[in-house]
Amino acid sequence: EGQLVESGGGLVQPGRSLRLSCAASGFSFDDYGMHWVRQAPGKGLEWVSGISWDSGSIGYADSVKGRFTISRDNAKKSLYLQMNSLRTEDTALYYCGKDLAEGGVAGYYYYGLDVWGQGTTVTVSS
Amino acid sequence: DIQMTQSPSSMSASVGDTVTITCRASQGISTWLAWFQHKPGKAPKLLIYGASSLLGGVPSRFIGSGSGTDFTLTISSLQPEDFATYYCQQTVTFPHIFGQGTKVEIK
Repeated sequence: EGQLVESGGGLVQPGRSLRLSCAASGFSFDDYGMHWVRQAPGKGLEWVSGISWDSGSIGYADSVKGRFTISRDNAKKSLYLQMNSLRTEDTALYYCGKDLAEGGVAGYYYYGLDVWGQGTTVTVSS
Repeated sequence: DIQMTQSPSSMSASVGDTVTITCRASQGISTWLAWFQHKPGKAPKLLIYGASSLLGGVPSRFIGSGSGTDFTLTISSLQPEDFATYYCQQTVTFPHIFGQGTKVEIK
């Protein structure tokens, strides 16, 4: 089934940086794509960023492109999100998630997040 | 970017009703569509992937259909635990944009 545990959230001033981490267990981490999804207070789900099993394919939402960087360390079974130049509108609960699709030689494809962490809260405020 | 538009944004229904939620993509995505259920205070839950494939353990009253640009999620015989917000998401290409959500409330 798998388990994901996010950490690194907190209160930060606008313009500053924060790094989120997501520790995976219970599944073969290096076989699956991973994602970050957020939910701002009172808003819907927003996909933030995704990374393929081998880091060969990476994508970002337009709202974070150029400011956020996703990465993974398969040896440590960990996913990261480096968030720079934070804005008040980045305030949200951030989830990491595992994609259902198993990576491999067939190319990069995704089915959606079948395992989610409980989230870590990021508050950007002066 | 491929935009996803859900309708309605909210609806009221009774236990036992059949409800249908629609999701439209701004361009064709074949069947690269997922549906999620989200309840307050909990992590979202994947229900359907590939537009119509039910994830293991998800009740068969959840039915997904469609391809190309138009998709539907049908919940037959609504149960008390089904009152939640539902989201579609395209997974064919980054960014994997979600629809704005459909809140299913108790009538």
